[in-house]
Amino acid sequence: AQKVTQAQTEISVVEKEDVTLDCVYETRDTTYYLFWYKQPPSGELVFLIRRNSFDEQNEISGRYSWNFQKSTSSFNFTITASQVVDSAVYFCALSEMNTGNQFYFGTGTSLTVIP
Amino acid sequence: DVKVTQSSRYLVKRTGEKVFLECVQDMDHENMFWYRQDPGLGLRLIYFSYDVKMKEKGDIPEGYSVSREKKERFSLILESASTNQTSMYLCASSSSGKGYNSPLHFGNGTRLTVT
Repeated sequence: AQKVTQAQTEISVVEKEDVTLDCVYETRDTTYYLFWYKQPPSGELVFLIRRNSFDEQNEISGRYSWNFQKSTSSFNFTITASQVVDSAVYFCALSEMNTGNQFYFGTGTSLTVIP
Repeated sequence: DVKVTQSSRYLVKRTGEKVFLECVQDMDHENMFWYRQDPGLGLRLIYFSYDVKMKEKGDIPEGYSVSREKKERFSLILESASTNQTSMYLCASSSSGKGYNSPLHFGNGTRLTVT
């Protein structure tokens, strides 16, 4: 079974629109971390954020914000006032204390921001 | 900043060849990983290593082997390349301790084509 599900395969928005990327995870571990990565056309995955299972406080960083809800096992990522430079593939990932170094990645959401 | 360098950006090899993909990190990280990225499948873990000369199988180790003789270098070896190994290969590293809470730092990737 897929531990991390990113149901949105591709999204297109017009510049300055807001967009939310969904991430749903599955785990039985009580201690785990969730991550978001950005993969621009250059190919390198860039770490964006890490959130642990005990911290449900939402986080905002500039135009980026993350909504972590354990009740729905979701860790959604919102980009406000999107820009062309936001065009990339975004991956959500899960790591669990009981499985150590194993990271589980979603299949990614390809975001295209149209100027 | 952590720098993870993959020796080749693009490689074209013939079926049956032995292929070496090299990865070097400069931040003294204990953990190193090899992932394969395919459209619609996200990132899949091939092998990882948490120390010199140590290695662990990931989800799809068949047809691959690895070598870690020095802390900073982690090599992925395709013993006899096949066309179904045509893919993007991503190397990553993370710091020591509880690996599950350390973000992965990725290289730019190697796009391998086997003909």
